[in-house]
Amino acid sequence: GNSVTQMEGPVTLSEEAFLTINCTYTATGYPSLFWYVQYPGEGLQLLLKATKADDKGSNKGFEATYRKETTSFHLEKGSVQVSDSAVYFCAPTGGGNKLTFGTGTQLKVEL
Amino acid sequence: DGGITQSPKYLFRKEGQNVTLSCEQNLNHDAMYWYRQDPGQGLRLIYYSQIVNDFQKGDIAEGYSVSREKKESFPLTVTSAQKNPTAFYLCASSNLAGHNEQFFGPGTRLTVL
Repeated sequence: GNSVTQMEGPVTLSEEAFLTINCTYTATGYPSLFWYVQYPGEGLQLLLKATKADDKGSNKGFEATYRKETTSFHLEKGSVQVSDSAVYFCAPTGGGNKLTFGTGTQLKVEL
Repeated sequence: DGGITQSPKYLFRKEGQNVTLSCEQNLNHDAMYWYRQDPGQGLRLIYYSQIVNDFQKGDIAEGYSVSREKKESFPLTVTSAQKNPTAFYLCASSNLAGHNEQFFGPGTRLTVL
């Protein structure tokens, strides 16, 4: 089955720092790839997606590029804010219309 | 507003009692899903349904049951057979056409005393 490996957290950054959260996956076929964000005590919100190789998903200053050759979908943001503090999940699609979630990476942004 | 609602947000039950968590969506999505999230961990799939009156077990179905009598509703029952039911439960839905993007409800935190 599919699997996802995300970098372990927590990742602690100062405001305006550059963010990278690594994500690699194993999957059969050509999955769609998603990043979700979860704020404390809430459900997951879709942050961005990419549906084919070399696609770049972007939203709210976050970006991720679908790299088929390295099976990666790393999340980046040029300048983080305190309000970006949350847990981020990488998720490729799998068989049966399901998603496979990584363990999540907690981001803490400090002033 | 279109979306997914889960109720209640917090739920307390005594050990040995069954409890049912509600999930409703008005997005006209075909598929619905239940996940369990434990502190510091990712999401684990409990059950999912792609069509009314049909559902499949996910990775951790033991001790749980579901029904899908209506397209918009997918209640989850946590039975007394579930050994460690205290967790955060998330419901999601998706349209089968397209890229399987799932939309999530706000979650229910279940505490078994």
